[in-house]
Amino acid sequence: QKEVEQDPGPLSVPEGAIVSLNCTYSNSAFQYFMWYRQYSRKGPELLMYTYSSGNKEDGRFTAQVDKSSKYISLFIRDSQPSDSATYLCAMSDFAQGGSEKLVFGKGTKLTVNP
Amino acid sequence: NAGVTQTPKFQVLKTGQSMTLQCAQDMNHEYMSWYRQDPGMGLRLIHYSVGAGITDQGEVPNGYNVSRSTTEDFPLRLLSAAPSQTSVYFCASNSRTGRNEQYFGPGTRLTVT
Repeated sequence: QKEVEQDPGPLSVPEGAIVSLNCTYSNSAFQYFMWYRQYSRKGPELLMYTYSSGNKEDGRFTAQVDKSSKYISLFIRDSQPSDSATYLCAMSDFAQGGSEKLVFGKGTKLTVNP
Repeated sequence: NAGVTQTPKFQVLKTGQSMTLQCAQDMNHEYMSWYRQDPGMGLRLIHYSVGAGITDQGEVPNGYNVSRSTTEDFPLRLLSAAPSQTSVYFCASNSRTGRNEQYFGPGTRLTVT
């Protein structure tokens, strides 16, 4: 079993829809959970960052972490064509000998149609 | 700030050739990493560095060398290019206090024929 599983999609939605993106993981030591957004032919950029369980909201974006289920989600409200990108989840546990290793999901490609 | 810069943007190599991918950051970040991104495989860590003079292997280090002589620069060397190294390579950096907030460069698209 891979440490982090993410459905690659592709996911296509109409403008204004609520989008739900998800990742599951197997390593219960993960404590830090991130969502990166990657536009075509660009480098990933950090979108949301949460520690441990709970919700975090930033504008139209909400990140949720359920550590008991080893499940994280990113919700996008009122989706816009400019949200069309690949979304990668990432997680880490800094107890691993001080290494700086983020474990990434494979990414979900999202298209928001006008 | 330019952030993280990578050169070249594109490169075509023949099997067996060697080359160096350049990465520089101007944010005074202690940590720097190299990833490769392949379709269906996501981002995989090649090598990383927690400071000048300190490097370590990631998930897929074979065929690559790194060194870190300055805080700003973290070049990735391909010793003898193979078609399996055709990929998009990303360099990233982060600070000690922002350990999960990695800043990525624009990437280098490498094709090995």
